[in-house]
Amino acid sequence: KQEVTQIPAALSVPEGENLVLNCSFTDSAIYNLQWFRQDPGKGLTSLLLIQSSQREQTSGRLNASLDKSSGRSTLYIAASQPGDSATYLCAISPGGSARQLTFGSGTQLTVLP
Amino acid sequence: DAGVTQSPTHLIKTRGQQVTLRCSPKSGHDTVSWYQQALGQGPQFIFQYYEEEERQRGNFPDRFSGHQFPNYSSELNVNALLLGDSALYLCASSLRAGAAGELFFGEGSRLTVL
Repeated sequence: KQEVTQIPAALSVPEGENLVLNCSFTDSAIYNLQWFRQDPGKGLTSLLLIQSSQREQTSGRLNASLDKSSGRSTLYIAASQPGDSATYLCAISPGGSARQLTFGSGTQLTVLP
Repeated sequence: DAGVTQSPTHLIKTRGQQVTLRCSPKSGHDTVSWYQQALGQGPQFIFQYYEEEERQRGNFPDRFSGHQFPNYSSELNVNALLLGDSALYLCASSLRAGAAGELFFGEGSRLTVL
């Protein structure tokens, strides 16, 4: 059974700092990995999707990497802003099924002005 | 382009009652999945509908059931509500034939069971 872990559970940084969020998974047989953002009480916004054959994806100040052999993914946020404050979730699609996601519990990020 | 829409946004029920939640997928999408998110946790997969049939199911009891209509919209029904069913229920849509498999989520329906 796939298990997804996100450490730390919470992170507080000053504005402007570069930061890395971590995601680890137990089964390397994955279809893809997706990073989401969730604001309090709201739905999930897709940030980046990495196919199992890819190593990284970039969108603006965000860069996500994937290392299947070690069961790890990182989300790098450059020049953080207070508007980046949210919970960040990573989710794994298992091999053979693109749409049944297994989520981590998320990292709650606070960027202080 | 309308995204995934869900209704109602909030609702309160009492134990033993039944609830129906609704979801309209993103334009052009044909597959709908439902997730349950308890406070402070990641979402848990309930089930997925495609071509009006349940295709995959997570570890949820039969009290949870669903339906997909010809226009791809979907309903989630929960019978005999328990206090533990209180959660944010999220609907996600995707294109089954899409190779990327990217999911798009709605804003969710917050269910409180008293």
